[in-house]
Amino acid sequence: AQKVTQAQTEISVVEKEDVTLDCVYETRDTTYYLFWYKQPPSGELVFLIRRNSFDEQNEISGRYSWNFQKSTSSFNFTITASQVVDSAVYFCALSGSGNQFYFGTGTSLTVIP
Amino acid sequence: SAVISQKPSRDICQRGTSLTIQCQVDSQVTMMFWYRQQPGQSLTLIATANQGSEATYESGFVIDKFPISRPNLTFSTLTVSNMSPEDSSIYLCSVEGAEGRDYGYTFGSGTRLTVV
Repeated sequence: AQKVTQAQTEISVVEKEDVTLDCVYETRDTTYYLFWYKQPPSGELVFLIRRNSFDEQNEISGRYSWNFQKSTSSFNFTITASQVVDSAVYFCALSGSGNQFYFGTGTSLTVIP
Repeated sequence: SAVISQKPSRDICQRGTSLTIQCQVDSQVTMMFWYRQQPGQSLTLIATANQGSEATYESGFVIDKFPISRPNLTFSTLTVSNMSPEDSSIYLCSVEGAEGRDYGYTFGSGTRLTVV
């Protein structure tokens, strides 16, 4: 079964704080892809990052960083020095042997000025 | 990555009517996907649309309710038929991005549908 769990429903942080969004996944596929998307209040889905199951190299891109741990089936996302513009719903997603995406239920992040 | 133009961006419709949502991509793509996002919920795949064949629907979605057209490799439509308030959602189309390590599936800007 394919499943993505984002246990954090809502998070509030004060501007400039760091925040980590958790994502745990389940899959029987040996090759799969993990994604993070951002959905601001306007509704569009903005692609942030994609990782395949053979690439556990963690990455930092500006204020964003990702921590992919196959041993714990986790793909966490950290925003450093958060800003008000980071306020959005963040979705973690999994794509396995088919083309279907399995989305988590999303984490609503509010950055308080 | 592909650029998707989706319209309308929002609409308010009467119960019992139908609405057709259009999705135009700036490059040829093999598969296009249609998703529904009910208020406060995550995204659920409605169907996958391949050019030249009937769309493949996910469990819980049927062609009579959500007919899909895919006349060419850059365009698709989703119709929400005989609407009820339960159909109020954001509908999004999606395509696979270009090859490369960091490509992702690109989503249209969504159609925010309210049925009254």
